[in-house]
Amino acid sequence: QVQLQESGPGLVKPSQTLSLTCTVSGGSISSGSYYWSWIRQPAGKGLEWIGRIYTSGSTNYNPSLKSRVTISVDTSKNQFSLKLSSVTAADTAVYYCARQIPPSMVRGGFFDYWGQGTLVTVSS
Amino acid sequence: SYELTQPPSVSVSPGQTAIITCSGDKLGDKYACWYHQKPGQSPVLVIYQDTKRPSGIPERFSGSNSGNTATLTISGTQAMDEADYYCQAWDSSTASYVFGTGTKVTVL
Repeated sequence: QVQLQESGPGLVKPSQTLSLTCTVSGGSISSGSYYWSWIRQPAGKGLEWIGRIYTSGSTNYNPSLKSRVTISVDTSKNQFSLKLSSVTAADTAVYYCARQIPPSMVRGGFFDYWGQGTLVTVSS
Repeated sequence: SYELTQPPSVSVSPGQTAIITCSGDKLGDKYACWYHQKPGQSPVLVIYQDTKRPSGIPERFSGSNSGNTATLTISGTQAMDEADYYCQAWDSSTASYVFGTGTKVTVL
């Protein structure tokens, strides 16, 4: 059973960089053709896809966040990470990491395993 | 950017049918999936590839997608189905995933 666990600071100051790591257990992050994504959800609001990475290092980002987002992968640690720069209060949200079945495997693709989420608050 | 619009709320009596819509430009040309999310929990996939149910999801959940609208139907709705529901699709033009605005299903 694949499990994902987010970790990182719960409080980030405005204009600084938010950094989170997702640790994958129960399987190798490099096995299969899966992508690994970050998704966020402000309190009381909907889900927003941030971006994804393949273990080759290939990435795709939400166009609305692209200029501030970097997703990287460390296969030796079975982890992938998110960096979001120049944060404001609008970036306060629960951040989820998730495994993605890509459209190349299943038409349309979907997210099958999710972490429990971690709340990141942007405040001075 | 591509947008998916859902009604904010749907109310249904126990045992009745809940219908949740998801509207987007030519959504029927893409593939939709659906998640439910209970308070304080992570989303759970209930429908993928428009109509398919993952293992462990009850048969009362079904989906369809045509034209500009994808639909999630919950037949014989139970109290445990009360949750927020989100549709999601892959926008190949921007190589990005898009979630719907979300629908709160209340079982009265």
